[in-house]
Amino acid sequence: QQQVKQSPQSLIVQKGGIPIINCAYENTAFDYFPWYQQFPGKGPALLIAIRPDVSEKKEGRFTISFNKSAKQFSLHIMDSQPGDSATYFCAASITSGSRLTFGEGTQLTVNP
Amino acid sequence: DGGITQSPKYLFRKEGQNVTLSCEQNLNHDAMYWYRQDPGQGLRLIYYSQIVNDFQKGDIAEGYSVSREKKESFPLTVTSAQKNPTAFYLCASSPGQGENTGELFFGEGSRLTVL
Repeated sequence: QQQVKQSPQSLIVQKGGIPIINCAYENTAFDYFPWYQQFPGKGPALLIAIRPDVSEKKEGRFTISFNKSAKQFSLHIMDSQPGDSATYFCAASITSGSRLTFGEGTQLTVNP
Repeated sequence: DGGITQSPKYLFRKEGQNVTLSCEQNLNHDAMYWYRQDPGQGLRLIYYSQIVNDFQKGDIAEGYSVSREKKESFPLTVTSAQKNPTAFYLCASSPGQGENTGELFFGEGSRLTVL
């Protein structure tokens, strides 16, 4: 019930491509779905987050799509750049609770 | 600047030794967390604390211990009972309940290697 499953484990795209990372969850009580970006040797940092009252959220080149009935959400990166090469984690939590459950991570490589 | 400071950044330990990883925050956050990161396994929660002098076990607490004597500090001890301690350890904080609790602020991590 607490799991968040993330795919793919790794992803390679060319500059300008649109990588898509998918996550699925089981606990219907989850009501906060963030994505974190992590560069090598650093801690993760919040990239973008969504709550289930909307189906899509955009911040710059990053978009979250949310499908409540399917219990799935995904991250799209428009016009990807080599500087976007990083590990991306999806996560989920219950707002009234105190802990995030993370997916396994996706290592994204954007080739020049 | 406000943030999370972890130390040391790299640590080597012999088998059978306990080691303590430091985590300090000046964000005035109530909640603090310790995660362990291994390749392909995401971030797994070791311990968390929502308030001073109180903490709860996460998903992989065995072989670890913590204390929360001060709001700004949440040290993690990796004991000799931890069977596979070599990993990247991340400390995080969040504002706590009653606010936008979703966002975690992470430190830069401590990489522990057992020789």
